Amino acid sequence: EVQLVQSGAEVKKPGESLKISCKGSGYSFTTYWIGWVRQVPGKGLEWMGIIFPGNSDTRYCPSFRGQVSISADTSITTAYLQWSSLKASDTAIYYCARGGTIAAGGTFDYWGRGSLVTVSS
Amino acid sequence: EIVLTQSPATLSLSPGERATLSCRASQSLSIYLAWYQQKPGQAPRLLIYDASNRATGIPARFSGSGSGTDFTLTISSLEPEDSAVYYCQQRSTWPLTFGGGTKVEIK
Repeated sequence: EVQLVQSGAEVKKPGESLKISCKGSGYSFTTYWIGWVRQVPGKGLEWMGIIFPGNSDTRYCPSFRGQVSISADTSITTAYLQWSSLKASDTAIYYCARGGTIAAGGTFDYWGRGSLVTVSS
Repeated sequence: EIVLTQSPATLSLSPGERATLSCRASQSLSIYLAWYQQKPGQAPRLLIYDASNRATGIPARFSGSGSGTDFTLTISSLEPEDSAVYYCQQRSTWPLTFGGGTKVEIK
């Protein structure tokens, strides 16, 4: 069974750093893209970026490039989303999702349950 | 960046009625469009990929059609559990983008 298990909710102050995780299981972690999607409560879905763990190919949405960093550790089948300096506007639910094979990437067939990040002074 | 415009914003229908949701792209996607369903407090769920292919386990009342710039998600006979927000998403060109969503309410 394919599963994506995300790390728990976080409460941070502006300016702090944060790294959230997404552990994949039940499939070949290195042969599927993993993407990250933001959802501000009550709003729509925003694609942030995606990584192919097999070769570390990473693509970012221009709106998020330079604001976050996406990485993956194939030895523990885990993808990460990282901030170096959080802002209040980063408050949102962050979903990871499996994003297809290298040749057919970009459709998200399995999703994690989301990680709520709250940034408040 | 490809912009996806969904309409209507809200659809209010009775059980058993047919729902037709539209997604229009700012440039051609070929067939590379997916539809997702999101219920309150839940992660999105993939319904349709590559315009017309139902994902695993999705009931036959959900169908997708279209190509190029105009796409449609049809729910042939609404069930109470179909109350949700539906999003389209394109994978034709980086960056990937989502539409703004259509909320389906069941009367």
